[in-house]
Amino acid sequence: DAGVTQSPTHLIKTRGQQVTLRCSPKSGHDTVSWYQQALGQGPQFIFQYYEEEERQRGNFPDRFSGHQFPNYSSELNVNALLLGDSALYLCASSTPDREDYGYTFGSGTRLTVV
Amino acid sequence: KNEVEQSPQNLTAQEGEFITINCSYSVGISALHWLQQHPGGGIVSLFMLSSGKKKHGRLIATINIQEKHSSLHITASHPRDSAVYICAPGINFGNEKLTFGTGTRLTIIP
Repeated sequence: DAGVTQSPTHLIKTRGQQVTLRCSPKSGHDTVSWYQQALGQGPQFIFQYYEEEERQRGNFPDRFSGHQFPNYSSELNVNALLLGDSALYLCASSTPDREDYGYTFGSGTRLTVV
Repeated sequence: KNEVEQSPQNLTAQEGEFITINCSYSVGISALHWLQQHPGGGIVSLFMLSSGKKKHGRLIATINIQEKHSSLHITASHPRDSAVYICAPGINFGNEKLTFGTGTRLTIIP
């Protein structure tokens, strides 16, 4: 049973460019959350998707947007990249089913903005 | 004051020692997660607990909801346990948003 899959694993972009990161949730999970982890810091919540809608959002600018598809996979888009956007981006999937609850993280996408 | 505080921030111990990492939080929670992160790697969920105690192999996690405190214990520590351990309370079970502690960097020396 595959866990959470993120792609790509590493990415280098130039300041001002746009980037799309992808996440496939664990089988049976319908909720996808995205986190940003800067070097040496703890992860910060970006937003969460459920039923193809953004359900809650952290303190991130509108340059950060996302999408969830009918198969529950999700994308994180970042526009007008800044050097400070360099970080490890983590995707986590979950389900509200208490009988089978699990909050599972992917290995992350390391984004470097130069 | 941070919503989640962990102690110690760094811990170095000899192989075989009993390890305790503490977490105090100020937010109301539905559940608390203990996570493990190796250098440059993704995050592995160790435990999710909302009351009492859970055990998995050499790892034990406890939580006291009234005191808003949780502990992670590692028995018979091994160098492969070296990692950052993160406490992450979650609110709104089912659509949880996790708030991460600062992490405890554990190094086990052979």
